[in-house]
Amino acid sequence: DVKVTQSSRYLVKRTGEKVFLECVQDMDHENMFWYRQDPGLGLRLIYFSYDVKMKEKGDIPEGYSVSREKKERFSLILESASTNQTSMYLCASSYGHPNTEAFFGQGTRLTVV
Amino acid sequence: GDSVTQMEGPVTLSEEAFLTINCTYTATGYPSLFWYVQYPGEGLQLLLKATKADDKGSNKGFEATYRKETTSFHLEKGSVQVSDSAVYFCAQRVSDSSYKLIFGSGTRLLVRP
Repeated sequence: DVKVTQSSRYLVKRTGEKVFLECVQDMDHENMFWYRQDPGLGLRLIYFSYDVKMKEKGDIPEGYSVSREKKERFSLILESASTNQTSMYLCASSYGHPNTEAFFGQGTRLTVV
Repeated sequence: GDSVTQMEGPVTLSEEAFLTINCTYTATGYPSLFWYVQYPGEGLQLLLKATKADDKGSNKGFEATYRKETTSFHLEKGSVQVSDSAVYFCAQRVSDSSYKLIFGSGTRLLVRP
């Protein structure tokens, strides 16, 4: 089975902290994605990566950055956490082909206080 | 730009009722289309997919047909069960070189006994 693992299920951080969310996949997938999920807004794409060290901005990249140094790991970084970044964060991975589905992790619920 | 629009929820049905959840998309090319389901407290999982026009995806009694002429991918099930209560997301995988995965806002389904 494909496994996408996010490092934490729940996280509480203080305003202004630098926050790292980690995601690891075990299927040698080329593509990896970070979304945030908010009620009524669905999943919004923050960043995605189509290969190692390659990244592209999604629809809401402001306040976030990413790192992909190894194929299996994709990190989301909140440079200076703010309360409006309180949300559920979902990581996904897939093969680099348009017909293939993405596999999701369990999500990290981040609360910024 | 590319987008996905779903009907707003919640949709409340009695057990054994017929289900339709509408989904339309806008795309510059010919995307692949997906339905994902999120049960309470869990991550997203693929329900079904269709990769070209007139394809029908099906799984667990759910069906959706890729209609290019109406740019739609409506989800249907003939007889819902209480266990189908979840949030359903329609998504497209764009056909440009990015292969971005774009989601709709989700539709919550509540099935009553």
